[in-house]
Amino acid sequence: NAGVTQTPKFRILKIGQSMTLQCTQDMNHNYMYWYRQDPGMGLKLIYYSVGAGITDKGEVPNGYNVSRSTTEDFPLRLELAAPSQTSVYFCASSYGQGIDEKLFFGSGTQLSVL
Amino acid sequence: AQTVTQSQPEMSVQEAETVTLSCTYDTSESDYYLFWYKQPPSRQMILVIRQEAYKQQNATENRFSVNFQKAAKSFSLKISDSQLGDAAMYFCAYRSAGGLGSNYQLIWGAGTKLIIKP
Repeated sequence: NAGVTQTPKFRILKIGQSMTLQCTQDMNHNYMYWYRQDPGMGLKLIYYSVGAGITDKGEVPNGYNVSRSTTEDFPLRLELAAPSQTSVYFCASSYGQGIDEKLFFGSGTQLSVL
Repeated sequence: AQTVTQSQPEMSVQEAETVTLSCTYDTSESDYYLFWYKQPPSRQMILVIRQEAYKQQNATENRFSVNFQKAAKSFSLKISDSQLGDAAMYFCAYRSAGGLGSNYQLIWGAGTKLIIKP
């Protein structure tokens, strides 16, 4: 199993550019998440999805969009990149409920907006 | 809103010794879950240990154990016999036990960087 795969691992964007961070998982998990991690801070939830065709906003959704057309893929779209979006982005998927929920994280995308 | 605070940005410990990482949280809920995650330089997030709030017994996983003080809203992680491979960022996280919507959110602390001295 590949688990959760994120691409690219690193990216530099100019202000105003757009890009899509790719995330795919091969574990048939219904729940998927996008987080951002700023230096010295914990993870913040951007968007999440409970299944194909269903997405919802997390704590910090502004400036981002997502789609979930398949169970496997959960891309994150940045429109009009801003320096405030410089961060490390993590995609995750999970199965199980409550205390038994198991989260699987990708290895992250380091994004710099200059 | 719930918050999670890790007051130690960095801790260091001699190899084979014991270290305790602190975590406090704020919530008005009575039922919730608490987690410790490890993030090594590879950036992978690895679950270390978890605790259900209604269980008074402290969770233990091999060399890792917690001291859960519900009334004090404290959830510290003790690592015994520290090993070089334990060097990483450690994150404390909180999650509500029931419901939908925002309960999909794990609330994360800012992390503690653990350095192991050989």
